[in-house]
Amino acid sequence: NAGVTQTPKFQVLKTGQSMTLQCAQDMNHEYMSWYRQDPGMGLRLIHYSVGAGITDQGEVPNGYNVSRSTTEDFPLRLLSAAPSQTSVYFCASSPSPGTGPNSPLHFGNGTRLTVT
Amino acid sequence: AQKVTQAQTEISVVEKEDVTLDCVYETRDTTYYLFWYKQPPSGELVFLIRRNSFDEQNEISGRYSWNFQKSTSSFNFTITASQVVDSAVYFCALSEAGTGTASKLTFGTGTRLQVTL
Repeated sequence: NAGVTQTPKFQVLKTGQSMTLQCAQDMNHEYMSWYRQDPGMGLRLIHYSVGAGITDQGEVPNGYNVSRSTTEDFPLRLLSAAPSQTSVYFCASSPSPGTGPNSPLHFGNGTRLTVT
Repeated sequence: AQKVTQAQTEISVVEKEDVTLDCVYETRDTTYYLFWYKQPPSGELVFLIRRNSFDEQNEISGRYSWNFQKSTSSFNFTITASQVVDSAVYFCALSEAGTGTASKLTFGTGTRLQVTL
């Protein structure tokens, strides 16, 4: 039972490089989201999706792109990495509210990204 | 805009002491959900509880208990007889209940709990 799987676990980038953080879930959840965690700031929402083909911005979307071509996958793209994007990134999923008791978010184990 | 405040940045207790972690929230919605998550030193986020805004009953789960008071917009978390394994960062979070918001949580900044022998 994999749940939410994030890859890679660790990544070091140089300023200006691009990369994609992968997120996959095997629970057939409609809702997926990306958060970043910075010291002293808790977790902040970057982007979220309520289903395949539908995405929207969260609190801190600048510098990140997302797409949702399948229910299972929700990759996060950094087009030109900046030191300010050094953070721990968490992907999460949950079923839609109408499918029963509103479940909590299921989080992946995180990706620690360092931009030098 | 929603906001969650965890005023206690760090708490240190000796094992077997009781400890309460405070959470105060702000929202204009009448329907919402409140959550607590635990983040142990290994870094993963562990779900502890979800409470909807219509259910003000306190909840107890083993050594954990939660006190939800709408009148003061608070959702406090108490650990009874704390143990070293309770050492972690604890996050309180708030979610609107409407469609499209099940994946949108507003987190507090977290409280780091250190339990020592």
